[in-house]
Amino acid sequence: DTGVSQDPRHKITKRGQNVTFRCDPISEHNRLYWYRQTLGQGPEFLTYFQNEAQLEKSRLLSDRFSAERPKGSFSTLEIQRTEQGDSAMYLCASSFSGYEQYFGPGTRLTVT
Amino acid sequence: AQKVTQAQTEISVVEKEDVTLDCVYETRDTTYYLFWYKQPPSGELVFLIRRNSFDEQNEISGRYSWNFQKSTSSFNFTITASQVVDSAVYFCALSEARTDKLIFGTGTRLQVFP
Repeated sequence: DTGVSQDPRHKITKRGQNVTFRCDPISEHNRLYWYRQTLGQGPEFLTYFQNEAQLEKSRLLSDRFSAERPKGSFSTLEIQRTEQGDSAMYLCASSFSGYEQYFGPGTRLTVT
Repeated sequence: AQKVTQAQTEISVVEKEDVTLDCVYETRDTTYYLFWYKQPPSGELVFLIRRNSFDEQNEISGRYSWNFQKSTSSFNFTITASQVVDSAVYFCALSEARTDKLIFGTGTRLQVFP
């Protein structure tokens, strides 16, 4: 059973550019989550899906962030007009119906 | 509001010592779940345990044990006979029944020296 995978693992971009990250969950998992982690902090919830439906989105999440899970399998997280404050590790997790969440290796974003 | 507090920022021990990582949580819900995750230097969060609020039994898994006390809103984690491979950042987290989102503490960095 393969775990959660994320692509790319590292992304360096210039301020103002758009970036998109991909997450592939564990195959039988119907829920998928995005979190953001900055240095020295715990992961912070961004949004989550059950199948294709986006069930919750953090109120702290800027309108520049959007996530999709079009076929209920993989998900993408897009950040438009990146800012230096967006530099962080973006983590994806999946679960089966809300049981324990299993995390991927993360995508480290650096905005210069 | 939900909150998880891990007051210990960093702990250093020598191999074979026992170590306890503290976690205190706040929630108004009666149904909630508590978790511990390990984040080794490689960076990937590793699931360790999930407990629901109705099950206060302590749990032991090998060298790991967890003590859940609703009276003090604590969910502490003990590693017995620590090993160098236990060196990592450990996160405690909370979720409520009405939402899946995990609320994490700030983590405790454990360093085990040989």
